[in-house]
Amino acid sequence: SSELTQDPAVSVALGQTVRITCQGDSLRSYYASWYQQKPGQAPVLVIYGKNNRPSGIPDRFSGSSSGNTASLTITGAQAEDEADYYCNSRDSSGNHPFGGGTKLTVL
Amino acid sequence: EVQLVESGGGLIQPGGSLRLSCAASGFTVSSNYMSWVRQAPGKGLEWVSVIYSGGSTYYADSVKGRFTISRDNSKNTLYLQMNSLRAEDTAVYYCAREIAAAPYNWFDPWGQGTLVTVSS
Repeated sequence: SSELTQDPAVSVALGQTVRITCQGDSLRSYYASWYQQKPGQAPVLVIYGKNNRPSGIPDRFSGSSSGNTASLTITGAQAEDEADYYCNSRDSSGNHPFGGGTKLTVL
Repeated sequence: EVQLVESGGGLIQPGGSLRLSCAASGFTVSSNYMSWVRQAPGKGLEWVSVIYSGGSTYYADSVKGRFTISRDNSKNTLYLQMNSLRAEDTAVYYCAREIAAAPYNWFDPWGQGTLVTVSS
């Protein structure tokens, strides 16, 4: 089955820009979606499609993709953005793997 | 309002069986792709299974042959039948609607989760 790889942890200074990446062969054929999860809460969709945000997600969140790598960028990170972030995609075999997750710390 | 509510979790002994339910409101389960995703304590998200609107089902290798995903159209409810449970199946189980239009797919909304603990 396909795998998606994320850096385990990333930090960013308050108000600065951070990029969280997700790598996997399936990303050459399928776009990633991104989820934010805070402690004790269910995941929340933050980016889907080429670069779409659900209603209520701030426009500082954006997504991009190139080759086998998808990226989630937070421009002007806020304290409330501190959370775990997961990417997800699907593959041609019907699997829907998640990346291992990236813990974002806002300093 | 589009909403998912899971139920059925609890403490179960290794080797036992449990059935999780996910009641949907605001949309029709049978017209959508529906997935189960789990999260072991302190770990990341793990996709478990999906049922497509046409009825096709897929499973993660870790649960294949032990878990069965299904739906009851009359109750607008998704299920996960879990058999031969192991300690490593201990997790919070979430159901989620999947929106899929190749090459795109995403999960929204998610339920609040139900905790399954496999222990003697």
